[in-house]
Amino acid sequence: AQKITQTQPGMFVQEKEAVTLDCTYDTSDPSYGLFWYKQPSSGEMIFLIYQGSYDQQNATEGRYSLNFQKARKSANLVISASQLGDSAMYFCAMRERNTDKLIFGTGTRLQVFP
Amino acid sequence: GAVVSQHPSRVICKSGTSVKIECRSLDFQATTMFWYRQFPKQSLMLMATSNEGSKATYEQGVEKDKFLINHASLTLSTLTVTSAHPEDSSFYICSAYSIQETQYFGPGTRLLVL
Repeated sequence: AQKITQTQPGMFVQEKEAVTLDCTYDTSDPSYGLFWYKQPSSGEMIFLIYQGSYDQQNATEGRYSLNFQKARKSANLVISASQLGDSAMYFCAMRERNTDKLIFGTGTRLQVFP
Repeated sequence: GAVVSQHPSRVICKSGTSVKIECRSLDFQATTMFWYRQFPKQSLMLMATSNEGSKATYEQGVEKDKFLINHASLTLSTLTVTSAHPEDSSFYICSAYSIQETQYFGPGTRLLVL
């Protein structure tokens, strides 16, 4: 069965520093997609970044980059130059190929302090 | 990015009443939409997959008669919580895949059943 694991319930980072949020996954499917979402206190789920299993390069979107290590089955999110507005819950998710369902990790609460 | 809307954003109702939540894809067509439920400080739990023109597919443990889903058009899916009880109080959030195969989420609906 497919599974997403986020082992960090909470992380702290100082403003302007970089932070890495961990995500490991388990699947026997050779084709899959990995997503990161941000959920601020308002509750909306904001799409951040996507990595396909066959993508050769790590995905990047502005200050967000995904450190994709396929052999280790990890897809860590790196946020560079943290801002106070980055404080939120962050969820890693994997897309099931056959059903298009997203399987979510338990999330990591990031707090950025001045 | 693509936009998914939800209405209402917040609803308070008496126990025993039914509540309808709408999910709309505003700038793309979605043959498939997903309904999630999220309890405080927890991850998203998939409730069902809404398919345009056919019956929804429910996840194990989700009562079909309790959570009625209708996907009448390519841009609208509705979730009706029938005979709501206090334990149904939760955050309900829908999502849909855009043409770029990224799953976008609505802003969510906070349901409080008194």
